[in-house]
Amino acid sequence: KNEVEQSPQNLTAQEGEFITINCSYSVGISALHWLQQHPGGGIVSLFMLSSGKKKHGRLIATINIQEKHSSLHITASHPRDSAVYICAVRGPNTGNQFYFGTGTSLTVIP
Amino acid sequence: NAGVTQTPKFRVLKTGQSMTLLCAQDMNHEYMYWYRQDPGMGLRLIHYSVGEGTTAKGEVPDGYNVSRLKKQNFLLGLESAAPSQTSVYFCASVRRLGSTDTQYFGPGTRLTVL
Repeated sequence: KNEVEQSPQNLTAQEGEFITINCSYSVGISALHWLQQHPGGGIVSLFMLSSGKKKHGRLIATINIQEKHSSLHITASHPRDSAVYICAVRGPNTGNQFYFGTGTSLTVIP
Repeated sequence: NAGVTQTPKFRVLKTGQSMTLLCAQDMNHEYMYWYRQDPGMGLRLIHYSVGEGTTAKGEVPDGYNVSRLKKQNFLLGLESAAPSQTSVYFCASVRRLGSTDTQYFGPGTRLTVL
């Protein structure tokens, strides 16, 4: 069973394109996280969302709690955005555990 | 402030050997987690701890043991390694304020079991 589903699995874009990565979840949550994993493996936290929208530089994350869906947008994509983007959730039904999507592998071509 | 560190970064074991992976954090976080990451699968929780002296099983605990004797350290042990435990292991510590979490991941340990 997959509590967190991401789409697409793989994404290739030209530099400058607007990119959207989607995350759907099936459990009740208190927050959703977007993480970035660069080639070489390190994982960093980008956003934590419990409602609405957050923006950091060229990255925008939105969440619709009623529809159990979140999107991560990248505006004016750049080759350095190439990474795996991972969605994770935690909530009252998950206790102290986080559930992770399998990730979206993004490649931005110059 | 080193954040979350993991030791070692790489290791090759033979089937049946044992080893311990060390995770250390200097942020005074209560919550620490051990995950494994395999190709095509999301991060899967092995064990976690909600404070010094406490541990709990996650999704895939079989073949692993953990200890949290000190708040800053979370150890993951493999008593008798198997090829199925070949994976990349990540430790994470979490700052929790109410329902707000911030996750900090270590750099990972790449383990190969022959």
